[in-house]
Amino acid sequence: NAGVTQTPKFQVLKTGQSMTLQCAQDMNHEYMSWYRQDPGMGLRLIHYSVGAGITDQGEVPNGYNVSRSTTEDFPLRLLSAAPSQTSVYFCASSYFVAGGGETQYFGPGTRLLVL
Amino acid sequence: KNQVEQSPQSLIILEGKNCTLQCNYTVSPFSNLRWYKQDTGRGPVSLTIMTFSENTKSNGRYTATLDADTKQSSLHITASQLSDSASYICVVSGGNKLTFGTGTQLKVEL
Repeated sequence: NAGVTQTPKFQVLKTGQSMTLQCAQDMNHEYMSWYRQDPGMGLRLIHYSVGAGITDQGEVPNGYNVSRSTTEDFPLRLLSAAPSQTSVYFCASSYFVAGGGETQYFGPGTRLLVL
Repeated sequence: KNQVEQSPQSLIILEGKNCTLQCNYTVSPFSNLRWYKQDTGRGPVSLTIMTFSENTKSNGRYTATLDADTKQSSLHITASQLSDSASYICVVSGGNKLTFGTGTQLKVEL
């Protein structure tokens, strides 16, 4: 199993550009989520999905879109990048909703710099 | 507002020594408490998950304790190794939501 994979590992964008961060998992997990990690702050939930075709907003959803067409993939789209979106983005997955007792597996992260 | 506070923010210890990291939380309702290890440049990796009824859980040289009455948890690392250098994150689950602490940055030196 590859676990949770993310691409790209690092990206530089100009303000106003759009891009998609890719996330895939091969563990047949229903629950997937996106977080951002900023210095001095805990991970914050952007969007999550409890299964194919179902997505919902987390704590900091503004400026981001997601879709879940398959169990394996959960891409995160930045619509019009802003410097405030400079961060490290982590995708995570688990069998059930992360608030239960299930172990959550994280990807290696995507470092995004918006100039 | 649900909060998870960790202390200390950072810690330097010598290889072979023990250390204890603290986590205090004000999360309600409470489902479980998790400790993660995050190596620099990597994603967090789960160390332990404890429910309300569990007051201690071990994973190798890592031992987590939970006092649900005082809403405190600790992570004890025994006989530290250089590879233990990482950020340790406390996460509290409640109401199908996770609240993350900001982590304790541990550095183990020779």
